[in-house]
Amino acid sequence: GAVVSQHPSRVICKSGTSVKIECRSLDFQATTMFWYRQFPKQSLMLMATSNEGSKATYEQGVEKDKFLINHASLTLSTLTVTSAHPEDSSFYICSATPLVVGETQYFGPGTRLLVL
Amino acid sequence: DAKTTQPPSMDCAEGRAANLPCNHSTISGNEYVYWYRQIHSQGPQYIIHGLKNNETNEMASLIITEDRKSSTLILPHATLRDTAVYYCIVDNAGNNRKLIWGLGTSLAVNP
Repeated sequence: GAVVSQHPSRVICKSGTSVKIECRSLDFQATTMFWYRQFPKQSLMLMATSNEGSKATYEQGVEKDKFLINHASLTLSTLTVTSAHPEDSSFYICSATPLVVGETQYFGPGTRLLVL
Repeated sequence: DAKTTQPPSMDCAEGRAANLPCNHSTISGNEYVYWYRQIHSQGPQYIIHGLKNNETNEMASLIITEDRKSSTLILPHATLRDTAVYYCIVDNAGNNRKLIWGLGTSLAVNP
């Protein structure tokens, strides 16, 4: 089946530092990857849509200069949280859609970020 | 995208069928019904999807009403590992689409 991995699974960092999260589709090529954020007891909130070889599309209220997204290949997208602050502490989840039209999204296991 | 309505929580006894309802009264003709679930502190897991016919796979069955305004996800023999939040989403099939997530139904499977 389609597998999406994320790395790291958990990260703790100091306020003001930057954190990079990788999302990989392991056994399929993904034209589009999505980045979500989920706060405790809340649903998933879409942050941005990442298309291979082009700039990401950010949802309203998401700062593109703070959450840098790079989709360099059909199997890898990265999210960098720049100058992280405690309020950025959250569960970050990526998903990927295969090249085949009509396929569903497949989700990564998530990355737990804690900013001290 | 059409909005969905789900009960916030449900309980089910282990070994019994879990029937999770979803209302999507404003669904349009080209929108599919998708079900995902999220076990605590994990990414969502795809379960099943359908357009208008009932669907079954190794995980669950999806029953869609004839008018497509509601659907039911059936876990035929619930286990403790099925305890999760279940999300019903309606969406156009295809790439480059944004899924709109509600709060889902928190299913507790009890021994």
